[in-house]
Amino acid sequence: DGGITQSPKYLFRKEGQNVTLSCEQNLNHDAMYWYRQDPGQGLRLIYYSQIVNDFQKGDIAEGYSVSREKKESFPLTVTSAQKNPTAFYLCASSILGGYSNQPQHFGDGTRLSIL
Amino acid sequence: GDSVTQMEGPVTLSEEAFLTINCTYTATGYPSLFWYVQYPGEGLQLLLKATKADDKGSNKGFEATYRKETTSFHLEKGSVQVSDSAVYFCALSDQVGEGAQKLVFGQGTRLTINP
Repeated sequence: DGGITQSPKYLFRKEGQNVTLSCEQNLNHDAMYWYRQDPGQGLRLIYYSQIVNDFQKGDIAEGYSVSREKKESFPLTVTSAQKNPTAFYLCASSILGGYSNQPQHFGDGTRLSIL
Repeated sequence: GDSVTQMEGPVTLSEEAFLTINCTYTATGYPSLFWYVQYPGEGLQLLLKATKADDKGSNKGFEATYRKETTSFHLEKGSVQVSDSAVYFCALSDQVGEGAQKLVFGQGTRLTINP
């Protein structure tokens, strides 16, 4: 079955440490996205990518970085510059369409906590 | 900018009760509208969508109608089950770039169904 795989499910970060969250999809989708979810809040867009080797900042990109070297993969690095990284991180993908009606498919998320 | 406002939760109902979760939006243009559901510890799953005014999305007994005149997309179900307990997110889709889309989410409504 096609889908999005995020790993690890739980991740712990020490102060001053960078950590990388993995996201892989086998849906052959061109577009991929990273969202952050905080308790009792909706999701906020961190970064998105429409094509290999290209990506754009979302609403809350500060303290994060991404890469898109392969169509299937869109890893997110939470850097030490992100002062409040504790959150649930969700990766999504979608096909590119001429209209904004293509649903996004989500992975099961990675929960990041600070030690 | 675009925004989505959802009914405050949590919502607790008895099995077989009628469900309404209110959702209103503010947007320029004509966004697509979505309802996503999140079960504990998981990512989001698309529940239903509507892409233009007066469209009705439906799935698993849930329905929502795109009302342009009231800028609303309320979620309804005639008879809820314990298995419907989850967090429900209303979202609108705003196209960015060359076909990627940014989802703007409401804050989510936690629904608990008691037997």
